[in-house]
Amino acid sequence: ETGVTQTPRHLVMGMTNKKSLKCEQHLGHNAMYWYKQSAKKPLELMFVYSLEERVENNSVPSRFSPECPNSSHLFLHLHTLQPEDSALYLCASSLTLDAMNTEAFFGQGTRLTVV
Amino acid sequence: GQNIDQPTEMTATEGAIVQINCTYQTSGFNGLFWYQQHAGEAPTFLSYNVLDGLEEKGRFSSFLSRSKGYSYLLLKELQMKDSASYLCAVMDSNYQLIWGAGTKLIIKP
Repeated sequence: ETGVTQTPRHLVMGMTNKKSLKCEQHLGHNAMYWYKQSAKKPLELMFVYSLEERVENNSVPSRFSPECPNSSHLFLHLHTLQPEDSALYLCASSLTLDAMNTEAFFGQGTRLTVV
Repeated sequence: GQNIDQPTEMTATEGAIVQINCTYQTSGFNGLFWYQQHAGEAPTFLSYNVLDGLEEKGRFSSFLSRSKGYSYLLLKELQMKDSASYLCAVMDSNYQLIWGAGTKLIIKP
């Protein structure tokens, strides 16, 4: 248990569906992240939020839409996804951005399959 | 470009010692992290090195040489539960984490 909770753990969706991934942390952290993890590839940073403001969007397609309503919750809204979007989506939080030795705490991830 | 290299897979025997290497080329350096990730679980923090040398934490040690762009994670007295992927990540000058693809460690009895 890392203090970061993601739901659902598994999701199968069709290419025309709309779904949302949820992430929650009660660690008092100010920064939250969405990562994509594909087999045998490095973690890909998708979005970064600091104090509920988006500070990073790494050229992610618009079919992925993040939302951070407060410092404890982060959502990733999905629509019209492609099969190549199938991956493990990890949420993480850290105490702050822009500081050395800032350990990231990860959720267990949502295993997404697009059919 | 920025790059982190680590072996894709390693195999070791229970009770033995294994060293997982990581080499990096990044825009600046603000420290190197090692994470452990069991299959289907969250990555969890193992170590952080920002100065050259060896940091020991129980059965696990992490070494850094900034001049060589090189780190290793040393696991002693291997146990079956150490079977996992080990992720190397470097924090660059913008405090962004650059990740390696991970090393899958298989422990055999």
